[in-house]
Amino acid sequence: NAGVTQTPKFQVLKTGQSMTLQCAQDMNHEYMSWYRQDPGMGLRLIHYSVGAGITDQGEVPNGYNVSRSTTEDFPLRLLSAAPSQTSVYFCASSYQAGILVGTEAFFGQGTRLTVV
Amino acid sequence: GESVGLHLPTLSVQEGDNSIINCAYSNSASDYFIWYKQESGKGPQFIIDIRSNMDKRQGQRVTVLLNKTVKHLSLQIAATQPGDSAVYFCAENYNQGGKLIFGQGTELSVKP
Repeated sequence: NAGVTQTPKFQVLKTGQSMTLQCAQDMNHEYMSWYRQDPGMGLRLIHYSVGAGITDQGEVPNGYNVSRSTTEDFPLRLLSAAPSQTSVYFCASSYQAGILVGTEAFFGQGTRLTVV
Repeated sequence: GESVGLHLPTLSVQEGDNSIINCAYSNSASDYFIWYKQESGKGPQFIIDIRSNMDKRQGQRVTVLLNKTVKHLSLQIAATQPGDSAVYFCAENYNQGGKLIFGQGTELSVKP
């Protein structure tokens, strides 16, 4: 199993450009989420999804859109990139809930985005 | 509001010593806690978790302690090795599936 796969690993954008960060998981997890990590800080939740067709906002949703058309994929769109969106982005997936199974999140390797 | 924070941003230990990384949380409704290890240039990696109905859980060389009275979580690493050098994050969850709130992180440096 590949786990959580993110593409691209690195990206440089000009201010105002748009792009989509891809995330795919092969563990049949219901829950998927996007975080951003800035230097010296923890991860902050951008958007999350509890299943196909359902998405919701996290702590820092402004400037980002998501969709969840399938269980496996959860792309993150930057509508009009700004320098403040320079960060490392992590996608994660997990089981939604359960007592017999853990709900720990499995993370991808990250996408390092620079907006100039 | 809810928050998870760490007492020590950096921790330096000698190889072979035990390490203790602390974490405070403010949401008494949190029912699930996780420790992650993040090495440079990589995504966070699950280490160990604990549910709120437990006080202690042990893994291989790691132990997590939960004190709900003072809302405190700790990660103990026995016989710390150079490969343990990384940033460690605690995260809390309150019955919302994988929606996690992360702390700031503690950088652990192991001196050979």
